Amino acid sequence: GAVVSQHPSRVICKSGTSVKIECRSLDFQATTMFWYRQFPKQSLMLMATSNEGSKATYEQGVEKDKFLINHASLTLSTLTVTSAHPEDSSFYICSARDRQRGTTDTQYFGPGTRLTVL
Amino acid sequence: AQSVTQLGSHVSVSEGALVLLRCNYSSSVPPYLFWYVQYPNQGLQLLLKYTTGATLVKGINGFEAEFKKSETSFHLTKPSAHMSDAAEYFCAVRTGGGNKLTFGTGTQLKVEL
Repeated sequence: GAVVSQHPSRVICKSGTSVKIECRSLDFQATTMFWYRQFPKQSLMLMATSNEGSKATYEQGVEKDKFLINHASLTLSTLTVTSAHPEDSSFYICSARDRQRGTTDTQYFGPGTRLTVL
Repeated sequence: AQSVTQLGSHVSVSEGALVLLRCNYSSSVPPYLFWYVQYPNQGLQLLLKYTTGATLVKGINGFEAEFKKSETSFHLTKPSAHMSDAAEYFCAVRTGGGNKLTFGTGTQLKVEL
């Protein structure tokens, strides 16, 4: 149980294009999903918190117009990197909190998406 | 603001030897502390967590960690390493009722025959 998937696992795109990454909770409903970014040999950095049916809450320094987050259903959140540039190349990881459990103690993580912008 | 420091980005042990992965945190309020493990091409999996109560926490796969407030530490241990323990381990802290987790930079554990 508590499986989170991400699609695609890897994506390569040209500079200036937009890329959409999907995060799905496969066997539970997630009112809250989180998007992280991880640079090589660095920590996971929280980018934003996505709540179903409402606007995402972005961390300080994260451009909301560049990283568009949509959480349209209890099992799906999407992150769109708009007008991607090489500095956006990174490993993007999502996590989800199980609605039924009702606590924020445990986040279930997806396997991540490797984005490379040429 | 909270932060997490994991000493040693790479740790190598022999199979059957003690595993010790170090984690120190800073937090202005009582923390919730977590250890996650990440196997190649997989998501982070929760190993164990400390919220309140007993300071020695047991997790899955024989791992345990002890919360030491005086040392601001939450080191992860396992008495006897197994080859299947080879993975990357992340320590994380959450403070109060917030959603946010602050992660350390991770420790890659290698287990040798």
